[in-house]
Amino acid sequence: GENVEQHPSTLSVQEGDSAVIKCTYSDSASNYFPWYKQELGKRPQLIIDIRSNVGEKKDQRIAVTLNKTAKHFSLHITETQPEDSAVYFCAASYTGNQFYFGTGTSLTVIP
Amino acid sequence: GAVVSQHPSRVICKSGTSVKIECRSLDFQATTMFWYRQFPKKSLMLMATSNEGSKATYEQGVEKDKFLINHASLTLSTLTVTSAHPEDSSFYICSAPSGLRNEKLFFGSGTQLSVL
Repeated sequence: GENVEQHPSTLSVQEGDSAVIKCTYSDSASNYFPWYKQELGKRPQLIIDIRSNVGEKKDQRIAVTLNKTAKHFSLHITETQPEDSAVYFCAASYTGNQFYFGTGTSLTVIP
Repeated sequence: GAVVSQHPSRVICKSGTSVKIECRSLDFQATTMFWYRQFPKKSLMLMATSNEGSKATYEQGVEKDKFLINHASLTLSTLTVTSAHPEDSSFYICSAPSGLRNEKLFFGSGTQLSVL
């Protein structure tokens, strides 16, 4: 099956700085790459996603980039705020058939 | 977005007993549901894919007889942890895809299982 690796496992940034989380995947057939945010004790929530026919997607302070050739994609959060503190997971999927998650990144935004 | 309901949210049971966890899609039909296991501060480990009207597909290393999955309707999938042991204690969370291409994954609220 698919193997998704995620780095870093923990990340601390000062409020207002940017945060970048990177993921790689192994299966070239994967064509959908969502990012989830999970706050402590809560369910993961989809925050942004990208399909393989797009190189970049942005939604306000959050952006995702995809390099299909290199099989890696990244999450960029700009102007970080304390409420951005959470665990972030990347995932790879082939048309909704199974979703494989990265190992997660615990982001702490220091006020 | 779509709503996935999962019950119970927390269960404590004795070793050797069985525990059933329910996952319901409230406002959409889900022919497929996914069951994950999550350890503290760890990732979501895919256990199995539940298929409505057919057998579940289990990931390598997941015991089929230990984790029984039933997807009897388009809105309900159940996971039964049989003869639970302390090492089965974990956070179990279900999810179901929805949306135009069935790519948006929506999660239940999870079940914290503690086996004494």
